[in-house]
Amino acid sequence: EAQVTQNPRYLITVTGKKLTVTCSQNMNHEYMSWYRQDPGLGLRQIYYSMNVEVTDKGDVPEGYKVSRKEKRNFPLILESPSPNQTSLYFCASSPSLSEHRSYEQYFGPGTRLTVT
Amino acid sequence: RKEVEQDPGPFNVPEGATVAFNCTYSNSASQSFFWYRQDCRKEPKLLMSVYSSGNEDGRFTAQLNRASQYISLLIRDSKLSDSATYLCVGPNRDDKIIFGKGTRLHILP
Repeated sequence: EAQVTQNPRYLITVTGKKLTVTCSQNMNHEYMSWYRQDPGLGLRQIYYSMNVEVTDKGDVPEGYKVSRKEKRNFPLILESPSPNQTSLYFCASSPSLSEHRSYEQYFGPGTRLTVT
Repeated sequence: RKEVEQDPGPFNVPEGATVAFNCTYSNSASQSFFWYRQDCRKEPKLLMSVYSSGNEDGRFTAQLNRASQYISLLIRDSKLSDSATYLCVGPNRDDKIIFGKGTRLHILP
């Protein structure tokens, strides 16, 4: 089954404790992206990747890192989480790099992160 | 004008009615947009694309009005299962992807 998977789905952690949220897609998509979704603010892009070893900042990259060593994986790293990073996180992938096709995104089920 | 803006709703509509909502955008060079549907506590799912020629898929019609810089989504013969939040997405002036904050739709029995 074609899908985007994220792990963990739920995570409660404490301020400053490094964590990684994994994202994997089995559709051979070149484009991958991370978003956070907060009430009243909608979906905001954190980082995106056009291909292996190519990553770029989205709208809200501060406090996050990503890597793209393999085509299928795009982990999100929080080196020192803070309470304002409590949010619902979505990973997404897209089959094409062309302008309009990169908006055709397939989302993972989400990771609900709470930082206390 | 915000880059991609939607009326948050909620729109409360009786089952069987036709409902339409819009999404305005500020990047006049944009040529393609998408509508996504998001159920409560679930991931967004692609609903349909919107190009200059419009798009129709069953009960759903999406259109782009470039002169007034908005896209629309029309749902005919609405079903209870259409209750969701509808997100529009398009590029900002830097060609980065921007999602609208969504319009909540409640179909009432």
